[in-house]
Amino acid sequence: QVQLQESGPGLVKSSETLSVTCTVSGGSIRDYYWNWIRQSPGKGLEWIGYIYYSGSTTYNSSLKSRVTISVDRSKNQFSLKLKSVTAADTAVYYCARDGGSRASWFDPWGQGTLVTVSS
Amino acid sequence: SYVLTQPPSVSVAPGKTARITCGGDNIGSKAVHWYQQRPGQAPVLVIYYDSDRPSGIPERFSGSNSGNTATLSISSVGAGDEADYYCQVWDVSSDHRVFGGGTKLTVL
Repeated sequence: QVQLQESGPGLVKSSETLSVTCTVSGGSIRDYYWNWIRQSPGKGLEWIGYIYYSGSTTYNSSLKSRVTISVDRSKNQFSLKLKSVTAADTAVYYCARDGGSRASWFDPWGQGTLVTVSS
Repeated sequence: SYVLTQPPSVSVAPGKTARITCGGDNIGSKAVHWYQQRPGQAPVLVIYYDSDRPSGIPERFSGSNSGNTATLSISSVGAGDEADYYCQVWDVSSDHRVFGGGTKLTVL
């Protein structure tokens, strides 16, 4: 079965760029949509954006100016970059797969990685 | 942008049925998916396509969707069902995935 694992530095300085990677194992990255979702401490889930295996992307309008999601098909990985971070970007960052359109449920999810923005 | 509204909290006695609502404009025309998130854990899909259950999810979990409200029902609730629950849809106009604000289920 497909498993997802996030990786990245747990601490990022304010105004710098946050980078996290999701490695997909047990299956191909092909034919699915690969998402980033975050959860600030004590808050709800916020969808950040997705990349289709072909490389096309869609981002949450509230983060669009600062977000880039990319894919490395040779490594079965996709990555998130969020620039100009502030304390408000401190969150657990999850990666998750969806099937697109009405089949856009998230399954599976990675375990999540906590990224703290420090001043 | 499309908005999903959930009650912040729902309380239920053990053995009873919990119902968690998710409101949205004409949500009945959309496919609604539900997630359970226990403290310190990643969310888990419990219902997709309004009422389908992934393998491994107990039959106690069911869903419905009509008009402006989707509902997740959990029967014979026990302490293990205490968690946050989120609804989610795909917004066709923006191609965005949208979450509700989440509901904390407390078993009394």
